Amino acid sequence: GAGVSQSPSNKVTEKGKDVELRCDPISGHTALYWYRQSLGQGLEFLIYFQGNSAPDKSGLPSDRFSAERTGGSVSTLTIQRTQQEDSAVYLCASSATRSNYEQYFGPGTRLTVT
Amino acid sequence: AQSVTQLGSHVSVSEGALVLLRCNYSSSVPPYLFWYVQYPNQGLQLLLKYTSAATLVKGINGFEAEFKKSETSFHLTKPSAHMSDAAEYFCAVSDLSSSNTGKLIFGQGTTLQVKP
Repeated sequence: GAGVSQSPSNKVTEKGKDVELRCDPISGHTALYWYRQSLGQGLEFLIYFQGNSAPDKSGLPSDRFSAERTGGSVSTLTIQRTQQEDSAVYLCASSATRSNYEQYFGPGTRLTVT
Repeated sequence: AQSVTQLGSHVSVSEGALVLLRCNYSSSVPPYLFWYVQYPNQGLQLLLKYTSAATLVKGINGFEAEFKKSETSFHLTKPSAHMSDAAEYFCAVSDLSSSNTGKLIFGQGTTLQVKP
């Protein structure tokens, strides 16, 4: 079946602009995670959704970052007023349930802030 | 708090040689542990997982890992390296804190180079 998809695959934006990154999880997966992969920081957790609610936002680095999930499916990560340090690969993962613990990752969105 | 340490950011082996990638974890509760592989410009693919069943876990592509509680280790091995194994490998522990979200805490990654 279809895996996790993310769009766009690449995004180049100017400093100060807002960007939206999209994640389509595997159908029926209730748990959804966003991670960020950067050279300096490695792989970091950003936010966790169970259904449409986000009980753990502890990894969001600043209030410029926000995310939502609608219909228990698609999720959008929004970065406002982008900074150069936001340049990274943003990965989305989904899991059948939280307690399943097996996460399936999308290919990521590479964000470059110039 | 849980954490993961991968010893060696870069490992180089010859084709056909043993692959050994090291991972040590820190956890106050019995951990769930994972190895993921990432090929260039791709997402992460699950190789194998330990979830408190058998301590020797077999995964895809001939990889296996052994959970050793006394050593707090979960090293990844493969008897004979193939050129196609060249990639970056990540060890991860699942968050089993009170929040219990299942989020993964990753090591810094190990790049495996396979020489012909």
